[in-house]
Amino acid sequence: AQSVTQLDSQVPVFEEAPVELRCNYSSSVSVYLFWYVQYPNQGLQLLLKYLSGSTLVKGINGFEAEFNKSQTSFHLRKPSVHISDKAEYFCAVSDPNTGGFKTIFGAGTRLFVKA
Amino acid sequence: DGGITQSPKYLFRKEGQNVTLSCEQNLNHDAMYWYRQDPGQGLRLIYYSQIVNDFQKGDIAEGYSVSREKKESFPLTVTSAQKNPTAFYLCASSILHRVGANEQFFGPGTRLTVL
Repeated sequence: AQSVTQLDSQVPVFEEAPVELRCNYSSSVSVYLFWYVQYPNQGLQLLLKYLSGSTLVKGINGFEAEFNKSQTSFHLRKPSVHISDKAEYFCAVSDPNTGGFKTIFGAGTRLFVKA
Repeated sequence: DGGITQSPKYLFRKEGQNVTLSCEQNLNHDAMYWYRQDPGQGLRLIYYSQIVNDFQKGDIAEGYSVSREKKESFPLTVTSAQKNPTAFYLCASSILHRVGANEQFFGPGTRLTVL
């Protein structure tokens, strides 16, 4: 069964500093990969997704992620963090070979932004 | 505007009572999902449905029940058999059977508290 590991439960960062949120998945076959963001007491919103093609994926709000098949990783990055980026971020994976509709979510990484 | 609505936003229940959480979508999506979110545990799948009048158990279905009588509606009942029902519940939907079109769209959530 697939699994997703988000390596940090919390990440503190100063405003305007770069940030990386790490995600590893367990699968040796093709996968779809996603990053979602959740603001307090709200549902999740899609930040970006990797389906195929270019390994560097750009998303909303200045975020990007890089798919690394050999390391089974999909780390999320932003070059300059804003106060409004304070939220919880979830990495997720689904298997295209099973219809691609069931998604496994990581435990989440809470991003704290310090002024 | 297309989207997913969940009601109520906050719900309080006495022990031993059943309670039903509403989820409606006007995105014309085939698949719908219910997740439970607890701090530090990410999202856990309760039930999912790919088509009207059909649904499958997820990873933590015990103590929950669902119905899918209409494409746009997927209510979740938390029964008295659920031992620890206090949590944040998220409903989601997605398209099926299209390559790449399997990202999930989330509602705003319902926070259930058992008194």
